[in-house]
Amino acid sequence: RKEVEQDPGPFNVPEGATVAFNCTYSNSASQSFFWYRQDCRKEPKLLMSVYSSGNEDGRFTAQLNRASQYISLLIRDSKLSDSATYLCVVRLGDGNKLVFGAGTILRVKS
Amino acid sequence: DAGVIQSPRHEVTEMGQEVTLRCKLISGHNSLFWYRQTMMRGLELLIYFNNNVPIDDSGMPEDRFSAKMPNASFSTLKIQPSEPRDSAVYFCASTYLPNTEAFFGQGTRLTVV
Repeated sequence: RKEVEQDPGPFNVPEGATVAFNCTYSNSASQSFFWYRQDCRKEPKLLMSVYSSGNEDGRFTAQLNRASQYISLLIRDSKLSDSATYLCVVRLGDGNKLVFGAGTILRVKS
Repeated sequence: DAGVIQSPRHEVTEMGQEVTLRCKLISGHNSLFWYRQTMMRGLELLIYFNNNVPIDDSGMPEDRFSAKMPNASFSTLKIQPSEPRDSAVYFCASTYLPNTEAFFGQGTRLTVV
């Protein structure tokens, strides 16, 4: 079983739609969680950290469910510029190992 | 700061040749990760270092791959001999413990023919 699993998509949505991605992780000792964004032929960049209480940054909301070992990302009012691959990232407690999911492709269309 | 710097940006080499990829960390960062990205396998962690010490190299595909940190700000990933299946984009990323946001370099696109 992979350490971090995501639905690869693609998710094809119209502008203005709300879209949600889920991610599951296998190691219950995982300590920190993140969503990264990767544009085509570019490097991944941090979108937001995911906190136990849930957190929001503008149109983006991240949630963590430790009991079920999954993380979610909700994007409201999708923009064309949101089209990218969204990577779920987990930091394991021992030594700062950062493990990436394979990514979920989002395509927002006008 | 210029961010994480990788070189070369592109490398085309023949099967059997030695390839060396280079990475300069952000000044002050003390943790370094090497990843490989392909369409089929996504972003795979090859190896990571904390304070110049390799912590986990379980992702290194085989003995043909080796990585070093000769000092706190620089790392190399070497493939010898290279094979066509090594073709991928190789990223390095650095972070400052205990802050865990990782900053990536722009990657090296390796093609082995």
